Amino acid sequence: EAQVTQNPRYLITVTGKKLTVTCSQNMNHEYMSWYRQDPGLGLRQIYYSMNVEVTDKGDVPEGYKVSRKEKRNFPLILESPSPNQTSLYFCASSFLSSQGTNEQYFGPGTRLTVT
Amino acid sequence: AQKVTQAQTEISVVEKEDVTLDCVYETRDTTYYLFWYKQPPSGELVFLIRRNSFDEQNEISGRYSWNFQKSTSSFNFTITASQVVDSAVYFCALSEAFISNFGNEKLTFGTGTRLTIIP
Repeated sequence: EAQVTQNPRYLITVTGKKLTVTCSQNMNHEYMSWYRQDPGLGLRQIYYSMNVEVTDKGDVPEGYKVSRKEKRNFPLILESPSPNQTSLYFCASSFLSSQGTNEQYFGPGTRLTVT
Repeated sequence: AQKVTQAQTEISVVEKEDVTLDCVYETRDTTYYLFWYKQPPSGELVFLIRRNSFDEQNEISGRYSWNFQKSTSSFNFTITASQVVDSAVYFCALSEAFISNFGNEKLTFGTGTRLTIIP
């Protein structure tokens, strides 16, 4: 079954304690991206990757890091989480095409609370 | 810069009524893509439709229909004969052309419309 998986689905942590949210896709997609969803703001892009070892900032990258060492995985790293990073996080993937943005497959979401 | 506006924050209708969710977008590109996603109470994002800027034909899929009008920069979504299972948050999103985005297929989302269908 084609899917994007995220772990953990729920996480409560404390300020400053490093954490990683994993994202994995089984569709051999080149493109992967992270979004955060906040009330009244919709979803905003944090980082994206066009392929292995190719990553770049989205609209709200501050406080986050990513890596893309393998095509299927795109972990989101919070080195020193703060309460303003409490949010619902989504990973997405798609084929990369010069024909335009394809359907993006979203993971189930990770609800993070930083106290 | 691209922008998507969903002015309706919350809508409630009685089951079997028709309901239209509005989406207005801004972009400088002539080539762009529009999307609708559904987010049910369980939280996942469900893809509903993708439409490119050169295709202004309205689309119908079962009880769902979409009205794309470039003249008013709108991409509205209508649910006919609504059902309780349609209760969700609906997001409209825009993506600009591959070249403009340098390969970043970023979706710019609206703030969403929470639709409640009352039994």
